[in-house]
Amino acid sequence: EVQLVESGGGLVQIGGSLRLSCSASGITFSNYVMHWVRQAPGKGLEYVSAISTNGGSTLYTDSVKGRFTVSRDNSQNTLYLQLSSLRPEDTAVYYCVRPYLYWGQGTLVTVSS
Amino acid sequence: EIVLTQSPATLSLSPGERATLSCRASQGVGSALVWYQHKAGQAPRLLIDGASDRATGVPARFSGSGSGTDFTLTISSLEPDDFAVYYCQHRSSWPYTFGQGTKLEIK
Repeated sequence: EVQLVESGGGLVQIGGSLRLSCSASGITFSNYVMHWVRQAPGKGLEYVSAISTNGGSTLYTDSVKGRFTVSRDNSQNTLYLQLSSLRPEDTAVYYCVRPYLYWGQGTLVTVSS
Repeated sequence: EIVLTQSPATLSLSPGERATLSCRASQGVGSALVWYQHKAGQAPRLLIDGASDRATGVPARFSGSGSGTDFTLTISSLEPDDFAVYYCQHRSSWPYTFGQGTKLEIK
């Protein structure tokens, strides 16, 4: 059974930082491009970032460029998203995705003063 | 950035009826179009990839069609479990984007 389990969310102040993790099991993690998608409260889904199988290529949506960093550790079957310079508009549930079939349950990030 | 526009925003139907959901892209995406079902508190569920290929385990009452800029998700006969929000998403070029969603509600 494929499982993606996110962790690391929480309440953080404006301008603060947080690191999200996504632990994968049931798949050969190193074979797959991985994505992060978020959903702000009451809003739709938004793509945040993508990373290639070896981590050598990364992509970001414009609103997070220069503030978020995606990475992966294939030896640990884990995907990461480092969030920095956080803004209230970054408040969302963050999902880890093995495109496009497998999604984690999400982890909530709340940015507040 | 490719903008996906879904219509209608809300669709009110009864179980047993046919649902037709539309997704229009601001530029052509070929067949690189995905449909999801999303219920509150759950992860989105993949329904359709490649515009028309049903994902494993998805009932045959769900079908996708279209290419280029105009796409349709059809649910042939609504079951009570089908009432949810539906999103289209393209994977043609980065940034991938989602439509704003269609809420399918019970009439």
